[in-house]
Amino acid sequence: KNEVEQSPQNLTAQEGEFITINCSYSVGISALHWLQQHPGGGIVSLFMLSSGKKKHGRLIATINIQEKHSSLHITASHPRDSAVYICAAPQNRDDKIIFGKGTRLHILP
Amino acid sequence: KAGVTQTPRYLIKTRGQQVTLSCSPISGHRSVSWYQQTPGQGLQFLFEYFSETQRNKGNFPGRFSGRQFSNSRSEMNVSTLELGDSALYLCASSLASRYVGEQYFGPGTRLTVT
Repeated sequence: KNEVEQSPQNLTAQEGEFITINCSYSVGISALHWLQQHPGGGIVSLFMLSSGKKKHGRLIATINIQEKHSSLHITASHPRDSAVYICAAPQNRDDKIIFGKGTRLHILP
Repeated sequence: KAGVTQTPRYLIKTRGQQVTLSCSPISGHRSVSWYQQTPGQGLQFLFEYFSETQRNKGNFPGRFSGRQFSNSRSEMNVSTLELGDSALYLCASSLASRYVGEQYFGPGTRLTVT
């Protein structure tokens, strides 16, 4: 069982829909990261959060430390949001980072 | 400011050969991390270097090695290539942080082992 689990693995939605991607982890972490990977491989960091909620434009990330769960929300989704979204967490015990398998999002125009 | 560059971008090797990949970080960045990405395992951390010293290492066999030079450029080497080493190898740099959320990623080197 992967220590960082993402769901869903694949998601197709219509433009304008509200999107939620979930990430659950079983290890102790100090912060959780959300990354976006576009076709072609380029990865950019979206959020790094250790508590509460962060917002950037149409993207919102939340984390519940007690429940070991984080969500990434996209409001008013757009085809340009189509990408793979990956959550990642550095483990407290050895600082090694572990990644979820990613959620492939496809927004239809 | 130029981004992280990786060379080569694509590479085809044969089982048993060895390969060296190169990463040039953003100017002024002293931390360089390497990651392997495969369809089955997703992203996995290989190692991180800071000021020419390996600061952390993932759970990969000794065939995977790396180094960092005084100008912060980094190389990773894979010896005795196996089919399972086919992957996208990504390098990321930061000023000093080992946290992925503070790193800037390169475009990757796609390695195919036949």
